[in-house]
Amino acid sequence: DIVMTQSPDSLAVSLGERATISCKSSQSVLYSSNDKNYLAWYQQKPGQPPKLLIYWASTRESGVPDRFSGSGSGTDFTLTISSLQAEDVAVYYCQQYYSTPPSFGQGTKVEIK
Amino acid sequence: EVQLVESGGGLVQPGGSLRLSCAASGFTYSGHWMHWVRQPPGKGLVWVSRIRGDGTSTAYADSVKGRFTISRDNAKNTLYLQMSSLRAEDTAVYYCAREDIAAAGYFENWGQGALVTVSS
Repeated sequence: DIVMTQSPDSLAVSLGERATISCKSSQSVLYSSNDKNYLAWYQQKPGQPPKLLIYWASTRESGVPDRFSGSGSGTDFTLTISSLQAEDVAVYYCQQYYSTPPSFGQGTKVEIK
Repeated sequence: EVQLVESGGGLVQPGGSLRLSCAASGFTYSGHWMHWVRQPPGKGLVWVSRIRGDGTSTAYADSVKGRFTISRDNAKNTLYLQMSSLRAEDTAVYYCAREDIAAAGYFENWGQGALVTVSS
């Protein structure tokens, strides 16, 4: 099974500043035949279900603000919030869908400093 | 608008059984793999099970294999999770989730969740 590890577990960022979350997989999630990384990012606000933000490591879901961006390849990935807004306070999860069972990182809690 | 609405959660004793349902609307239900993902209180997301659009293929996490059964009724646009031999560690919010139409494996939509509490 692929293990996903996020860092940090939590971070506090000032409004308007950049937030960066790292996600590492225990094996590559890059499928060589189509050159796609099977990696997604979700946002979960308190009391709500997760919401898809990004898939294929860097493709933003429709309606997601462009301050959210994803990057990386192979085993190392990053979610960046370029200018943190109050409504971005949430827990963020990465997920690999390269192999079964699909697996999530432990989550990163983003708060306002 | 895609909607997924779970029901059937509640309090059950260890060793007991419970069936969760997830009513789907707003999309061609039979065209999508569907999943159950759970979240223990205060913890992260854990994948539980999935079923192909036509119901012919299923998969389970090792932690629930042999105890949980996923199924679907495409005539009723409803997904099910039959849970038996429940343990305290099965306590969680259970979400149903719709996989992307291309069956890549990411979860485009999630229900609001159903809380299952296993306790005596």
